[in-house]
Amino acid sequence: EAQVTQNPRYLITVTGKKLTVTCSQNMNHEYMSWYRQDPGLGLRQIYYSMNVEVTDKGDVPEGYKVSRKEKRNFPLILESPSPNQTSLYFCASSFTGGAGILTEAFFGQGTRLTVV
Amino acid sequence: EDKVVQSPLSLVVHEGDTVTLNCSYEVTNFRSLLWYKQEKKAPTFLFMLTSSGIEKKSGRLSSILDKKELFSILNITATQTGDSAIYLCAVGGSNYKLTFGKGTLLTVNP
Repeated sequence: EAQVTQNPRYLITVTGKKLTVTCSQNMNHEYMSWYRQDPGLGLRQIYYSMNVEVTDKGDVPEGYKVSRKEKRNFPLILESPSPNQTSLYFCASSFTGGAGILTEAFFGQGTRLTVV
Repeated sequence: EDKVVQSPLSLVVHEGDTVTLNCSYEVTNFRSLLWYKQEKKAPTFLFMLTSSGIEKKSGRLSSILDKKELFSILNITATQTGDSAIYLCAVGGSNYKLTFGKGTLLTVNP
């Protein structure tokens, strides 16, 4: 079954304790991306990756790191989480069509992170 | 800075009504516009539009893009309670960057 898998689904952590949210896709997609979703602000892109070892900042990259060492995995790293990073996080992947077109994105089920 | 604005932010209708959701954008090097439906969990894909004036249809849902006026609409006819959700518009621009609007919360009452 084609899917994007995020783990964990729920996480409560303390300020400053490094954490990683994993994301894996089984569709051989080139493009992967991380978003956070906050009430009243919608989905905002954190980082994205066009292929292995190619990443770029989205709209809200501060406080986050990513890596793309393999095509299927795109972990999100919070080196020193703070309460303002409490949010619902989504990972997504898609094929890149011709002429720079992003096709349908498949989303993971989300990770609800609380930083206290 | 790329910008996607959806309107209205929320909408309450009765079953059977027809609704029109709007999405306007200012994006560098427009590539594609995508519509998603989000219920309690992850967004699910509805449509992708790249060409102006060509309507995409799926059952009671349809969408069209106007690249000259920089907007798209999503129509839902004969609404049902199962259509209650947040509808998200996203626009792909330069360097594969994807910008989402804040969404329209649609509530369909029986």
